[in-house]
Order: sequence, then structure tokens, then C-alpha cells
Amino acid sequence: GAGVSQTPSNKVTEKGKYVELRCDPISGHTALYWYRQSLGQGPEFLIYFQGTGAADDSGLPNDRFFAVRPEGSVSTLKIQRTERGDSAVYLCASSANGGGVTDTQYFGPGTRLTVL
Amino acid sequence: GEDVEQSLFLSVREGDSSVINCTYTDSSSTYLYWYKQEPGAGLQLLTYIFSNMDMKQDQRLTVLLNKKDKHLSLRIADTQTGDSAIYFCAESSRTGKLIFGQGTTLQVKP
Repeated sequence: GAGVSQTPSNKVTEKGKYVELRCDPISGHTALYWYRQSLGQGPEFLIYFQGTGAADDSGLPNDRFFAVRPEGSVSTLKIQRTERGDSAVYLCASSANGGGVTDTQYFGPGTRLTVL
Repeated sequence: GEDVEQSLFLSVREGDSSVINCTYTDSSSTYLYWYKQEPGAGLQLLTYIFSNMDMKQDQRLTVLLNKKDKHLSLRIADTQTGDSAIYFCAESSRTGKLIFGQGTTLQVKP
């Protein structure tokens, strides 16, 4: 595709509910990253996929957060038992060459999650 | 640990130069990046600099790196109203994940 796309663009849910956020990376990109951006802050790393496997999930805040990338392309970030503190913009990025410090990350527009 | 800090706000007049500053802590960072974020849009990569360079120029953008002081700056020449946005400095960790600062809001007055 032309760029990284994310759906939905906005998601409003109630405390305690389950949500799924989807990311479609740039076609052919092997690395995919999830970040979370709270209001007035910079993005914070959550998880990084190299192909289908999670190469680094050190940023996931707790076991309510989980992400998958079963075919090495589309990824889904799943949040169970949502809390108000989960409200943020969730950003996805992809890179072409398998990750690493020399690999430019291209970001999607984000999904704004609001937990009431 | 890894940490990146930026000043929060900068206001300039159209046509002036803007200088946005950033400090980082991880001396092993290989690349340092500047991203731009406009309202409702994703992060746009502006430029990056390799850690063995002191300066990089790209049209109106100049990046200066002082590795000894772990200080990075972005200069925008002839700032335009379309440059109004939030600018993020980021360092890359060993695994490739980016560590971002909290962002500098640039306001350009006509």
C-alpha cells in the first residue's frame, strides 16, 4: 500500500471491555512496531515484530496487552479489560529491512482510543 | 536508562530561523531522528543523523550533533506557517525501537 494504515481511526469503549486495533503496514515491510502516545507526550514503544514473531515486547505495560502478526503482514493490538488509563493514541510503524538501528520507520495516522 | 528531553514550546515569526533543542542519554545510539507531527496526522520523518557526524543539512533543515554533550538541534531556516507542528527528537536503541522526547510545539506567527 501507499502508507501504513490503521483502523479504526477512533474507538470509544467502556471500562472493562475488550478492544482490537489493526495495523496494515507498507507492503513488503518485514518489521512492524506499536507505540502508544498519551496526551502531551511523545510516543512510547510497546512491541516490535520481525516477521511473525515478537522480537521485543518489553514495552507492553502489563498482561492485558497482547499483539499478534500471524502472517507477517497485518498486526492486531489487543487490550483486555480496558482501563481509563489506556486512553491514548496507538501508533503503528513499519520498516523495510527487518528492523535494527539503520532502518527508517514509517508511521500510520494512529487509532485514538478513549475508555469511558 | 534511555531518556530524551526537549523544550516544550517555541514561538517564532514567519521568515525567522527556528532552533529546536534535544538532549539524550544513551551514548550508544547510532542514529538520531527528527519527526514532525501535525494535528490529526501521523509522525513524518524529517531527517536523521548518524552518530559519527557533526552536522547534516537538507534544504531548509540543519541538524547539529554534539556527541560529547549528547545534544542535538534542528534548525529550520526561513520558517513558514506550514512548519507549525510538534517536533519530536528520537534516539534509536540497540534493538531498533525509537525513544522519543516529549515533543516541542513550534508556533509560527505571520
